Amino acid sequence: GQSLEQPSEVTAVEGAIVQINCTYQTSGFYGLSWYQQHDGGAPTFLSYNALDGLEETGRFSSFLSRSDSYGYLLLQELQMKDSASYFCAVLNQAGTALIFGKGTTLSVSS
Amino acid sequence: NAGVTQTPKFQVLKTGQSMTLQCAQDMNHNSMYWYRQDPGMGLRLIYYSASEGTTDKGEVPNGYNVSRLNKREFSLRLESAAPSQTSVYFCASRDLGTENYEQYFGPGTRLTVT
Repeated sequence: GQSLEQPSEVTAVEGAIVQINCTYQTSGFYGLSWYQQHDGGAPTFLSYNALDGLEETGRFSSFLSRSDSYGYLLLQELQMKDSASYFCAVLNQAGTALIFGKGTTLSVSS
Repeated sequence: NAGVTQTPKFQVLKTGQSMTLQCAQDMNHNSMYWYRQDPGMGLRLIYYSASEGTTDKGEVPNGYNVSRLNKREFSLRLESAAPSQTSVYFCASRDLGTENYEQYFGPGTRLTVT
């Protein structure tokens, strides 16, 4: 089956850079996704990496190393509104549904 | 477009009662999903429907049934609710044609079983 490991909590200050790591074990691999969820809200899509390397979208970047079964989400110029939970996810073996990690709670302080 | 909608938003049940959570999407997506979210456990897949007419078990299907009523609607039924089913339930949908496998989530149903 699929399993993912990510830290449970990360703290940082406004303006800083933070990296949230994710390691995975999968039977079949299609790519690594990242989702953001604010308290009381629904998860929303942030990024998807199918190939090795860094993908940048504004202040957020996501990295994947398929040989290491590892990826990370990099958040730059942190803002208070970035305080949220961040989930990495991979597709199940059939490629039909996302399996999520347990999530990393990011707290940004001023 | 409303996206993915879920009803009800909140529900309190007594142990042994039954109920159906409703989900609908207006994005013409092929695939629909039900997840539950508990503190510290992330999002766990209960059931999914990869396309209209099919349903499959996810990671935690025990105690639940689903119905893909049509392409728009996917319901989750608890036949005999238990306190362990107290959770936040999210429905999601995805277009099979997208390369990034992005799933769109509804606002959630907060269920308490006493």
